[in-house]
Amino acid sequence: EPEVTQTPSHQVTQMGQEVILRCVPISNHLYFYWYRQILGQKVEFLVSFYNNEISEKSEIFDDQFSVERPDGSNFTLKIRSTKLEDSAMYFCASRQGASWGYTFGSGTRLTVV
Amino acid sequence: QKEVEQNSGPLSVPEGAIASLNCTYSDRGSQSFFWYRQYSGKSPELIMSIYSNGDKEDGRFTAQLNKASQYVSLLIRDSQPSDSATYLCAVNSRGEGKLIFGTGTLLAVQP
Repeated sequence: EPEVTQTPSHQVTQMGQEVILRCVPISNHLYFYWYRQILGQKVEFLVSFYNNEISEKSEIFDDQFSVERPDGSNFTLKIRSTKLEDSAMYFCASRQGASWGYTFGSGTRLTVV
Repeated sequence: QKEVEQNSGPLSVPEGAIASLNCTYSDRGSQSFFWYRQYSGKSPELIMSIYSNGDKEDGRFTAQLNKASQYVSLLIRDSQPSDSATYLCAVNSRGEGKLIFGTGTLLAVQP
């Protein structure tokens, strides 16, 4: 069964450093998303990406965050200057069409120290 | 603010029983409804999707949708210890791509 692949599985970074979280969505999927889940809390939407541009972003997705789809297969989330409160599981998701279910990747656990 | 509400549980059921999980949502424009299972430290895994009023069955799982009452439920028949997980209700509103998640209900199936 096709999978959404995320790397790394765990990233530890110092406060103020830049991190890039990587995702390879399912190949025929057209819609791409980043979500995050702080430990013990609900899954929260960050950003959606379609047709090579951001289609929606949440208030969490401020100027410190950016997304890219540099080569038609990878989908990245960059956090420019990490804060302690950015520590969370970050999930990439994709779906084939507007009426389809979402497939989530296995997640990247980001720990900011 | 569009909200999805779930009882956080834990919901404890004996092995072989029916587990009933419930969810309400605030946005009447919501069109797509999903149940995800999430094991501790893992990513959400799609269990069921439902788009129209009524019941949808898939194996041991039945999703029920009542748009008039803004209510979605998931029934798990013949519950197994391996079903023990957090069940997330997620809703997708008209014209929007994002999913709005509830906090999840922790299900514990006792052997």
